[in-house]
Amino acid sequence: GNSVTQMEGPVTLSEEAFLTINCTYTATGYPSLFWYVQYPGEGLQLLLKATKADDKGSNKGFEATYRKETTSFHLEKGSVQVSDSAVYFCARRGKAAGNKLTFGGGTRVLVKP
Amino acid sequence: GAVVSQHPSWVICKSGTSVKIECRSLDFQATTMFWYRQFPKQSLMLMATSNEGSKATYEQGVEKDKFLINHASLTLSTLTVTSAHPEDSSFYICSAGGNRGPTDTQYFGPGTRLTVL
Repeated sequence: GNSVTQMEGPVTLSEEAFLTINCTYTATGYPSLFWYVQYPGEGLQLLLKATKADDKGSNKGFEATYRKETTSFHLEKGSVQVSDSAVYFCARRGKAAGNKLTFGGGTRVLVKP
Repeated sequence: GAVVSQHPSWVICKSGTSVKIECRSLDFQATTMFWYRQFPKQSLMLMATSNEGSKATYEQGVEKDKFLINHASLTLSTLTVTSAHPEDSSFYICSAGGNRGPTDTQYFGPGTRLTVL
């Protein structure tokens, strides 16, 4: 079946450090790929997305590139802030699944001042 | 971006009672909405797909008689947890949008935290 695998957390960083969260996906159905962020006590917010190979999604200093050859969609940010502390979810959605999103397990990120 | 609201944001109820959670798309119409459940420090589990004007489609293992879904209009879906028990305590999140295909974005509500005593 369709799946998304992302690195387990928690990831603890100092402010201004470089952040990478790895995400790989099953490639069947040419999926669209998404990163969502969940702040404490809140629902999910779309962070960025990419709908085809080599697309780069970017928002708020975060970037992720749709890599078909490695079936990856790693999330990166060059200089994190304390306010980036949250749980990050990678997700896929393919045509065969209709509108259903398949989520990875989530990665908790803690940025310390 | 589009806004999805949920009400209430949190609710505490006694075991055996029923609780209704509303999900609204505030500035767009949604023929399809989704209901998820999230346990502490875990990912989202899709419970069901809510279809406007028709029956919801439940994921395997989700009791349809326990979790009643009604999608009466293009902007409102409700999830009713019937005869709630402590094991139903969870964070319930709805989403809407994405009706134009898999590249279209789904927007999520802020979630409802249900605590059953």
